[in-house]
Amino acid sequence: QKEVEQDPGPLSVPEGAIVSLNCTYSNSAFQYFMWYRQYSRKGPELLMYTYSSGNKEDGRFTAQVDKSSKYISLFIRDSQPSDSATYLCARWTSNTGKLIFGQGTTLQVKP
Amino acid sequence: DGGITQSPKYLFRKEGQNVTLSCEQNLNHDAMYWYRQDPGQGLRLIYYSQIVNDFQKGDIAEGYSVSREKKESFPLTVTSAQKNPTAFYLCASTRGGGTGTGELFFGEGSRLTVL
Repeated sequence: QKEVEQDPGPLSVPEGAIVSLNCTYSNSAFQYFMWYRQYSRKGPELLMYTYSSGNKEDGRFTAQVDKSSKYISLFIRDSQPSDSATYLCARWTSNTGKLIFGQGTTLQVKP
Repeated sequence: DGGITQSPKYLFRKEGQNVTLSCEQNLNHDAMYWYRQDPGQGLRLIYYSQIVNDFQKGDIAEGYSVSREKKESFPLTVTSAQKNPTAFYLCASTRGGGTGTGELFFGEGSRLTVL
């Protein structure tokens, strides 16, 4: 079983839709969960991170971690064409200094 | 401007040849990483280094080698032993390998094609 699993999509939504991106993880160790965004032919950039459990909101983006089900979610409200990118969830374990990524979900927001 | 510079951006190589990808950072970060990205597979960790003169294998280290002689540099060599080297390679760094929050800063990537 992979440490972080993510549905690669692709996912296509109309502009203004609410987008839900999801990952599952297998290791319950103390850790941070991250969401990175990657535009085509570019390096990923950090979008948000959450600490072990709970919600975090930043503008149109909300990151959520459910420890009981080992589920990580990213919600995008009022999606825009500029949100079209690949979204990668990742798990950071501080005692090893490793960042492990899911497969990434490709999102297209159509005008 | 601080950042991570990868070179070359595009590289073509014949089968059986070794090739070295450069990664330089001026962010004064301790930890550096190499990932490989293939379509539909996300980023897979090749090697990482938390301090100068020390590095660890990631999940797919076979056929690759690295060195970390300077804090700002972490070159990756793709050897002829790597069976499927055509991929997009990403270098990243972060402030403190074991104490940070996983905020990695990435370069623009190097796309290697084996002919």
